[in-house]
Formats: sequence, structure tokens, C-alpha cells
Amino acid sequence: KNEVEQSPQNLTAQEGEFITINCSYSVGISALHWLQQHPGGGIVSLFMLSSGKKKHGRLIATINIQEKHSSLHITASHPRDSAVYICAVEGTRSLNFGKGTSLLVTP
Amino acid sequence: GAVVSQHPSRVICKSGTSVKIECRSLDFQATTMFWYRQFPKQSLMLMATSNEGSKATYEQGVEKDKFLINHASLTLSTLTVTSAHPEDSSFYICSAQSRGSGGPYEQYFGPGTRLTVT
Repeated sequence: KNEVEQSPQNLTAQEGEFITINCSYSVGISALHWLQQHPGGGIVSLFMLSSGKKKHGRLIATINIQEKHSSLHITASHPRDSAVYICAVEGTRSLNFGKGTSLLVTP
Repeated sequence: GAVVSQHPSRVICKSGTSVKIECRSLDFQATTMFWYRQFPKQSLMLMATSNEGSKATYEQGVEKDKFLINHASLTLSTLTVTSAHPEDSSFYICSAQSRGSGGPYEQYFGPGTRLTVT
């Protein structure tokens, strides 16, 4: 099984700060997903990456396949970004999930 | 983007009853759907993989007779929790998989169903 480690577990930031969440995994993968889970529980898929970098609005995701590491960056953070961010790696059958990073952005 | 719906979003039932949760892909065909369970402050755990027209594949430790999965069409999968008990209270999430054009599979998640068994 692919071990997926996220850091930090919890993160509090002030509005406007640049935020980085890290994800590392132990076994080679076909793709990596970044998910956002809101307090109500609903999950939104933010990115799916197999190499390089993707950008969507204020969100940037990068992956280094050789180092088995990915980062999710949030620029100009806002309170509405407060959520749990989950890294998931895609193996041969399904996704293996990290435990998530709980982000709180204060005004 | 692709949309996956779940129904109901919340359900409260009495111990011993059965509950059916529906997962639908609204604007794409999903040959594979996944069912996950999430306990409070825990990560999502895969319960089973559902392929249209065939039997679901259950993860180790998940009772197939208790969690009945039916993938009747390319847009609908159902999870039935039979003879529910309080320990089955959890957040159940489905996802549907579609192949991006020429690329790897994309997964789209439903909003989840919160089950409370009293």
C-alpha cells in the first residue's frame, strides 16, 4: 500500500498569506490528486497531476515524480479557503488518501 | 466540470433498518464508481469498487453482505447498508471515474451522505 504523508496536519494563517501544504508518498504512482473538503463534508477535486505544475486561480499544485513529493500552494489566502485539503495518490486500483491538512484562514 | 450527486445527503435511521444511498454521475458515463467511508477526523477509506454490470470488489474487512452495492447503469451506483447499527454511523462518499481524453482517469466526488443510526 502507498503511504501518503501530509504536512502540516493543521495550519492557521492570516488572510493574504501564502500557504504551502506538502504531500509525500512511498511508491510510484500514475497520478496525484489534491482535494478540498469543506466543513459540511463535501469534497471538491482541485487538481489531478501526473507531472509538472498546474494552476487554477490562486491555487498552484506541483509534483516531483523523482522525489515522490507534491505541494499545494494558495496565494493571497482568504477565509473562504478554510477547509481540509487532502492529497490522494492513484495506484493500480484506486486512491490512497493522506489524513488531510486542516487550514484555517483568519481575517 | 463533471458532476456527481448523492442522495440522500443526510439520513437518520433506527438500528436494524436498511438504508439505500444513491450515487449518480450527471453528465458523464462512469464505468467505475468507488464507495468511501469517513469517520470523524479520519481519512477516507475505500470500501468497494463498483464496475457497471459486474459484482463489486470489496476491500478487506468490509462485509459484502452488509454493504450491498449495485451498479445498475453507467450513471448510477447504489450502496445499501443492511441491518444498520450505530457503529455504521459515518459519512459515505462516492466517486465516479471517467477517462480524460487520452489521459489518465479523472475521479469526481459526490457531496457525501451522512448516516446516523440511532
